[in-house]
Amino acid sequence: AQSVTQLGSHVSVSEGALVLLRCNYSSSVPPYLFWYVQYPNQGLQLLLKYTSAATLVKGINGFEAEFKKSETSFHLTKPSAHMSDAAEYFCAVTPNQGGKLIFGQGTELSVKP
Amino acid sequence: GAVVSQHPSWVICKSGTSVKIECRSLDFQATTMFWYRQFPKQSLMLMATSNEGSKATYEQGVEKDKFLINHASLTLSTLTVTSAHPEDSSFYICSAHATSGGIYNEQFFGPGTRLTVL
Repeated sequence: AQSVTQLGSHVSVSEGALVLLRCNYSSSVPPYLFWYVQYPNQGLQLLLKYTSAATLVKGINGFEAEFKKSETSFHLTKPSAHMSDAAEYFCAVTPNQGGKLIFGQGTELSVKP
Repeated sequence: GAVVSQHPSWVICKSGTSVKIECRSLDFQATTMFWYRQFPKQSLMLMATSNEGSKATYEQGVEKDKFLINHASLTLSTLTVTSAHPEDSSFYICSAHATSGGIYNEQFFGPGTRLTVL
């Protein structure tokens, strides 16, 4: 069975500071990993995905994530936070592309001016 | 780009009535669509996998007779909440697995439907 754990339900950073959102996964097969962002009362928007092509994945809005098999991690980072980054972020895993996604608990990112 | 729409975006209904939510892939075909529900401040929980032309596969604990899913075409899946009760109030989100249009094997999410049962 696959699972995802996001460490920290709420992360607060100052504008311009580094953003680090943590995600650890459990999978018995090589996983496909995703990060999604959700703004209030909206659906999910894909930030980036890992599909085994490259361990460092660059996404939209300046976000990137690194797949570390030895640590079973897929942490999301952004060098400099912007006020518009304030949202809920979800890490998700699936054993095959297009398959059902297993979501983490979510991390709410707040950005202080 | 690939767009998934949901209708309605919000609905308020009385307890005991049924509500139908539509999920459409606007510019691509989707043989598989997924239905999730999300409670406030919580993550998405998969309810069922909807396959075009066949019966939906429900996750454990989800009542298939209460949450009726129909996937009659490659661009439309519907979720009907039958005899809705206040505890069914939630944010329902669908996603569509693209199998055409140059975006093969991507999953795209709808904007969600807010259901409030009085």
